[in-house]
Amino acid sequence: SQTIHQWPATLVQPVGSPLSLECTVEGTSNPNLYWYRQAAGRGLQLLFYSVGIGQISSEVPQNLSASRPQDRQFILSSKKLLLSDSGFYLCAWSTGPGNTIYFGEGSWLTVV
Amino acid sequence: DAKTTQPPSMDCAEGRAANLPCNHSTISGNEYVYWYRQIHSQGPQYIIHGLKNNETNEMASLIITEDRKSSTLILPHATLRDTAVYYCIVRPWGGFKTIFGAGTRLFVKA
Repeated sequence: SQTIHQWPATLVQPVGSPLSLECTVEGTSNPNLYWYRQAAGRGLQLLFYSVGIGQISSEVPQNLSASRPQDRQFILSSKKLLLSDSGFYLCAWSTGPGNTIYFGEGSWLTVV
Repeated sequence: DAKTTQPPSMDCAEGRAANLPCNHSTISGNEYVYWYRQIHSQGPQYIIHGLKNNETNEMASLIITEDRKSSTLILPHATLRDTAVYYCIVRPWGGFKTIFGAGTRLFVKA
C-alpha cells in the first residue's frame, strides 16, 4: 500500500531564517505531488504541484519554492521566512491529475 | 474562491445519521465531487467521490442530485470520532487545481 510521510511535524523558526520541509511517498511510482498551506481556521491553498522530477508548477507567487529531486521526494523551501509564512503545511500525492489526492500528516510552522 | 458552498457548522447526535449538504451550482460536466474530512491538527482524510451516480463505501454515502448542482454526504451512524471539519470540493478530471473552502464543522454529541 501507498504511504506518505512529511517532516518535521512541528517547527518554530525566526523571521529571516531558511525553511526546508520534506515529503516522501512510498509504494507508488511517478506520483503527482502537491504542497498545500492552511492558515488557522481556513481552507487549503494549493502552493505547488509536480508531475515529475524537476517539474514544478507554482500556483501562488510567494516567498516559497519547491523542488523534486527524486521521483517520490518533494521539498518545500524558503530562503528567508516571513511572519505570514506561519501555517499548517500539507504534502499530498495522487496517481494522476484529477485523481484522488491523499494527504500527509502535515507540518506546523510558526514563524516568530 | 471555493466552487462549493457548505454550512459552517452542524450538530448531530451520536448514533444518528449525519447529513452534510454541499452546493456546487457551477459544476462542470467533467468535474467530480469529492469529500474529505480533517480532524484537528491532522491532514485531510479522503472519504468518497462521485461524478453523477450515488456512491457508497465503508465510511459514507454520497448522494448527488440529478442536475449535479448539490450533493449530500451521509454518515449513517455518527460516532464521537466523526467530529471533524468536512470539505466538499469539485475536482476536474485531468486537472490539478483543487480549491478547498472552509468546510463544515460537524460536532457529534453524546
